[in-house]
Amino acid sequence: DAGITQSPRHKVTETGTPVTLRCHQTENHRYMYWYRQDPGHGLRLIHYSYGVKDTDKGEVSDGYSVSRSKTEDFLLTLESATSSQTSVYFCAINPDSRGGYTFGSGTRLTVV
Amino acid sequence: QKEVEQDPGPLSVPEGAIVSLNCTYSNSAFQYFMWYRQYSRKGPELLMYTYSSGNKEDGRFTAQVDKSSKYISLFIRDSQPSDSATYLCAMTVILTGGGNKLTFGTGTQLKVEL
Repeated sequence: DAGITQSPRHKVTETGTPVTLRCHQTENHRYMYWYRQDPGHGLRLIHYSYGVKDTDKGEVSDGYSVSRSKTEDFLLTLESATSSQTSVYFCAINPDSRGGYTFGSGTRLTVV
Repeated sequence: QKEVEQDPGPLSVPEGAIVSLNCTYSNSAFQYFMWYRQYSRKGPELLMYTYSSGNKEDGRFTAQVDKSSKYISLFIRDSQPSDSATYLCAMTVILTGGGNKLTFGTGTQLKVEL
């Protein structure tokens, strides 16, 4: 997707290991978001950021932390991965204050 | 109870049919209403958004919002196989200090068959 990239695209990790997912934007937007998508639950907000070093929790933040040291990068860390964190993770930016998010292509994470 | 309810489908229709997708919500604070389309193994992409009650049309797509009933709809006319995707409704609350936070429905899977 134009202006926003996620890495890695796929990852398999073991239970108990830390994992960091990266979201990079080239459009200098203030707001960035991390969502997870699971069957039957749709997209749920994990954390969001409203500026460098400014972050807040979403509805499913337990077990996750985030950091934003630069405008362009928003990192999501699973401190100690569990099988319940197997999911597809999407990063989004908010170029339109009314709600028109632009999403990345997603990271498919499997915790075994 | 979820803030946003959406029938997951799957919904299968013949090519050329009119498709109706719907969501209900419970939070009166929602201000903007959106529809996203998501193809398999891709990120969601914004289709339409609207603020007020009423209809908004864009090509074959019409978005309808009824705030009094807390009900939104997306209509697709002359549906095509390329419309086969998952459709997600989303609603937003404006955050203090700017920005917003989207709440999504679970998505309706649509298949348009030849």
